[in-house]
Formats: sequence, C-alpha cells, structure tokens
Amino acid sequence: AQKVTQAQTEISVVEKEDVTLDCVYETRDTTYYLFWYKQPPSGELVFLIRRNSFDEQNEISGRYSWNFQKSTSSFNFTITASQVVDSAVYFCALSEPLQGAQKLVFGQGTRLTINP
Amino acid sequence: DADVTQTPRNRITKTGKRIMLECSQTKGHDRMYWYRQDPGLGLRLIYYSFDVKDINKGEISDGYSVSRQAQAKFSLSLESAIPNQTALYFCATSDPGGVRNEQFFGPGTRLTVL
Repeated sequence: AQKVTQAQTEISVVEKEDVTLDCVYETRDTTYYLFWYKQPPSGELVFLIRRNSFDEQNEISGRYSWNFQKSTSSFNFTITASQVVDSAVYFCALSEPLQGAQKLVFGQGTRLTINP
Repeated sequence: DADVTQTPRNRITKTGKRIMLECSQTKGHDRMYWYRQDPGLGLRLIYYSFDVKDINKGEISDGYSVSRQAQAKFSLSLESAIPNQTALYFCATSDPGGVRNEQFFGPGTRLTVL
C-alpha cells in the first residue's frame, strides 16, 4: 500500500533562514503523482505543487523549490529566505489509483513556525 | 465565490446525536471525496463518489454514511456521533481531465463531539 512519511513533526526557524521539509514515499505503482499542500492557521488546504513520476526536474516557484528524487523516493520542499507568513502545516501527498481516478495518501504533516 | 463550500464550518454536538455535514461545489466535477484530519495523522479518506450513482467506502468509513444528492452535492452523516469523531472534515472534488489533475478542497468543517 502507498505510504507517505514526513519525519519532521515540527520545525522552527528564524525569519530569512532557509528550511527544507522532507517527504519520503512508498508505492508500487510506476505512474503516480506527488503533491504538496499548505494549511495555514485558518485551516484551509492550499495546493502548492503537483509532480508526476516521469518528471524528475526540480521546480522553483519564487522562494519555493521542490527536489524530486525517484532513486530515493523523496520529494523534498525548500523555502528560501523564509517569512513569517510561511508559518503553516505542510502536507506531502501521493496519489493512489482508484478505479480510474485517484485518492490522495497524506503524510502526517510538518508544522513549520517562522519566528520574527 | 468559493468553488467548494462546506456547511457548517464549525459544529459542537453531543454523543449519540445525528449530524450531517454538507458539501457543495460549482466546479462541475464528477468526483467528490470526504476526508478527516486528525492531529499527527494527516488526512484520511472516508468516502468517495464518482457520480450520483457511484459511492464507495474509503479507509475509515465505519460510523459514517454519505449521500450524493446531485452532481454538486455530497453530504456526510454521522448517525450516532462519538467523541473520537472529533476532527476537521474536508470535502474535495477532482476532475481527471483537468490540467493539474489535483483535488480541490473545501474550507473544512471543525466538528467537536462532547
């Protein structure tokens, strides 16, 4: 069965520091998707990125970057020059085929606190 | 306007009460999902539906039931609420033909069972 592990339960850094959130996954599927979601204190889930298993190119979006390494089954997320507004719980998720659709298997989440 | 809405946003109820959480979407998606979030456990799938006539159990369906009244509406019921059903509940939709093939989440319903 699919599994996603976010080993870091909580991370606390000072503003402007770089921080990396780890995500390791397990799957037997050859085609799958990986996601990151942000959950700010207000509680909603904000989609950040989707990556398919055939695309191992790293991606950068502003201060956010993602490193996908199939060889180590990891999909890590780095925030450069962190800001207080980045404080949130971050979830990594893996798609699991579901009768032609997909369900998402979530990691436990990493609570990130950026201190001023 | 929000694409996926959930009502109520917050609810406190007592053990043994029946409660319904409602989800509506204007995205025109066929697929809808209910997840629950518990601290330290991430989100887990309760039920999912591919259309009005297709409803399926997820990994933690015990104690829950659902109703897909229309393409746009998917309700989750707790027939007899118990305290360990206290959680944050999310509804989501997806369109497999979408560019990013992602799931779109509602704002969540925070349920407390006393």
